[in-house]
Amino acid sequence: EIVLTQSPATLSLSPGERATLSCRASQSVSSYLAWYQQKPGQTPRLLIYDASNRATGIPARFSGSGSGTDFTLTISGLEPEDFTFYYCQQRSNWPLTFGGGTKVEI
Amino acid sequence: QVQLVQSGAEVKKPGASMKVSCKASGYTFTAYYMHWVRQAPGQGLEWMGWINPNTGGTNYAQKFQDRVTMTRDTSISTTYMELSRLRSDDTAVYYCARDLYDSGPRFYMDVWGKGTSVTVSS
Repeated sequence: EIVLTQSPATLSLSPGERATLSCRASQSVSSYLAWYQQKPGQTPRLLIYDASNRATGIPARFSGSGSGTDFTLTISGLEPEDFTFYYCQQRSNWPLTFGGGTKVEI
Repeated sequence: QVQLVQSGAEVKKPGASMKVSCKASGYTFTAYYMHWVRQAPGQGLEWMGWINPNTGGTNYAQKFQDRVTMTRDTSISTTYMELSRLRSDDTAVYYCARDLYDSGPRFYMDVWGKGTSVTVSS
């Protein structure tokens, strides 16, 4: 199965700063990668799919890039509600797999 | 609005089975694949499989292949996930999650149920 490694595990930033989250795949997933946000006690929310497409209703400050094995989620100008957990997910091979997550903290 | 309503929390003993339901509303039930994903306490997300509500076809993660069964009842727009031979490490929140697209699955999940907490303990 494809292993997704997210880094860093924790990212400490201030509101207004730029966040750069990484997701590395153990083998190429082409552009078949998504990013989700999950707040404690809440369900995951799809942010980005196919590496760079924003899901419906997602603010423009969220952007995704990358292909092959290396992907980035960028949050340009952190809002207070952005300080939470983020997961990547690949759909290139079965089983679908998620990364271990990155926590963005203040 | 699009909504997935899951059944309530369960407490099970090791070796027992669990069955979680997920009732869909606000969209054409048979048009979107449904995924099941679980999250152990304090841990990340783990995909278990999907069901095609139109045909009943399924695809399970190999890890769960011999213990999981996903079914649906189109008359009440509900999917079910049954997991047998429960162990303590099956303690988790179980989510149903709708696939992103109706015109062929994309295997991303855009609408999630609120989750069903299952505790396995003797």
